[in-house]
Amino acid sequence: TQLLEQSPQFLSIQEGENLTVYCNSSSVFSSLQWYRQEPGEGPVLLVTVVTGGEVKKLKRLTFQFGDARKDSSLHITAAQPGDTGLYLCAGPGTASKLTFGTGTRLQVTL
Amino acid sequence: ETGVTQTPRHLVMGMTNKKSLKCEQHLGHNAMYWYKQSAKKPLELMFVYSLEERVENNSVPSRFSPECPNSSHLFLHLHTLQPEDSALYLCASSQGPGPSNEKLFFGSGTQLSVL
Repeated sequence: TQLLEQSPQFLSIQEGENLTVYCNSSSVFSSLQWYRQEPGEGPVLLVTVVTGGEVKKLKRLTFQFGDARKDSSLHITAAQPGDTGLYLCAGPGTASKLTFGTGTRLQVTL
Repeated sequence: ETGVTQTPRHLVMGMTNKKSLKCEQHLGHNAMYWYKQSAKKPLELMFVYSLEERVENNSVPSRFSPECPNSSHLFLHLHTLQPEDSALYLCASSQGPGPSNEKLFFGSGTQLSVL
């Protein structure tokens, strides 16, 4: 079974701070996805990383895929209250499944 | 708006009730999914339908019964549920279930409470 562990589980920061959340596995993944789930909504895909060492930027969000394709990180610069939500990583599992991580719940306060 | 609509948004039911969750996608996708999201647990895949055929059933108890009458609609019929079944039930769709790194489009979910 491929497991994705995310850390930290919870993070509460003030507006303007920077943060990094992590997604780690002992298994190699061909790609990893990051989703954000806002309160009361379903997850929305932010990005897919497919190449070891790849870095992708989405405005203030920077995603990195580890060289060995076993881990990924998400860095947010100058966090805003709109960044509040549950951040999920996900990777291809068996057959048609996506394996989801345990999630990082981020709260950004004014 | 993700193009995937779920109703109802909230549902409270007793253990002897029968209810159904509904999902509709307006994206022309060929695959639809039911996921369960419980506190402190990763998203759990329950069922996958591709072109209206069930292709995945993850050892889900028989008190959950899916139905996919066409590629745009998906139902989850519930009967004699247990309190531990209380969770957020998410519907998703994708272009196809083949490659497992396909982009999933999720609905807003049904928050289910079983009393």
